[in-house]
Order: sequence, then C-alpha cells, then structure tokens
Amino acid sequence: DVKVTQSSRYLVKRTGEKVFLECVQDMDHENMFWYRQDPGLGLRLIYFSYDVKMKEKGDIPEGYSVSREKKERFSLILESASTNQTSMYLCASSLIGGGSNQPQHFGDGTRLSIL
Amino acid sequence: DQQVKQNSPSLSVQEGRISILNCDYTNSMFDYFLWYKKYPAEGPTFLISISSIKDKNEDGRFTVFLNKSAKHLSLHIVPSQPGDSAVYFCAASEGYQKVTFGTGTKLQVIP
Repeated sequence: DVKVTQSSRYLVKRTGEKVFLECVQDMDHENMFWYRQDPGLGLRLIYFSYDVKMKEKGDIPEGYSVSREKKERFSLILESASTNQTSMYLCASSLIGGGSNQPQHFGDGTRLSIL
Repeated sequence: DQQVKQNSPSLSVQEGRISILNCDYTNSMFDYFLWYKKYPAEGPTFLISISSIKDKNEDGRFTVFLNKSAKHLSLHIVPSQPGDSAVYFCAASEGYQKVTFGTGTKLQVIP
C-alpha cells in the first residue's frame, strides 16, 4: 500500500516565520504535489514536481517555494508566513501519468495556523 | 477561473437510495476525469475514474457517467450507505501530470 506521510498533523507558527512542511512517500513515485484546501475553494495546486530537482508552479505558487532533493521527499516552504496562509495543506504522489489512470495518493494533511 | 465546478456544496440522501453527485467542466482539452472521497482529518482517496473516450465506468456501487457534449460528469452511488458520508471531489486532467479539482460536495447519507 502506498504511504504518503506528512511530518506534522497540526502546526502553529507566527507571522513572518519561515515554515517548512515535509512530505515523504514510500512507493518510488515520480510525481509529487502540494495542495491547499480551503472551505468553498476545494483543492488548489501550489507546486508539483515530476522528478528530483524539478518543479513546476501550480495555480497558486505565490508566497511558497518547494524543494525536491530526493525522489521520496518533497518539501513546501513558506518563505515568510502570513495569516492568509492559514490552511490545510495536502501532499500527494503518483506514478508518471498522474492524471491519466495514475491516481494521486494523498497524505492526511497538515493543518497550519499562522498567528 | 474555476475550470471544474461542483455546484452543490452539500447533498443529503436516505440510506439505500441513489446518490447523484454532479460536476461540470469548461476545458474541452481535459482527457481524464477522477472522483476522490475525503473523510474528515484524512487525505482524499481515489474512488473511480473515466477516460474521455468512454461515457460510463462502473465499479461496484459506484458508476461515473461522462457527457462530453455537455461537459458534465456525474457519480452515482447505489445503494447509498452511511459510510459513504464524506466530501467528494471531482477532478480532471489535461495531459498526464496536472490535475484540477472541483470545490467538493459534502454527502450525508441518513440511516
């Protein structure tokens, strides 16, 4: 069974802090994704990566960066946290072809609060 | 611009009846459609999918219908069970990497 593990379930940080969210998958998937989920807005893609050291902007990349130094690990970085980044963050992974018949596998999410 | 829309934020259905969840899309280049189910405090899990070259795909109690001319798909759950109570996300992809999700529909199945 695919396991996607997010390092924290709940996180509270202060405005202006640099925040790191970590995600690890154990199935050798090429693709990894970071989403945020907000009420009424569904899942919105922040960044994705289809290979080590490769990254692509999603729909809402502003204020975020990512790092993928190893295939199994994909980090989301909030360079200077702001209150509008309070949200549920979801990491996912998939085999190459992540839309067409290669579903994404999600972690359980990190609920991040910025005070 | 919301390319994948789920216009019903919530739906209540009696146990044993049919649940129909709807999804509309605007991008005619989408070639694959998926449904995910999400329980509280858990990540979404894949439920069922359909290629744009088909109009129906069935898996047990779950059937997805695709109407390309109307840019509409629906998920049917028959019979509905209390354990089906969750948020359902419609998703669509163009090409093989990026997936666009809808806003979700919260289904409540009443015992």
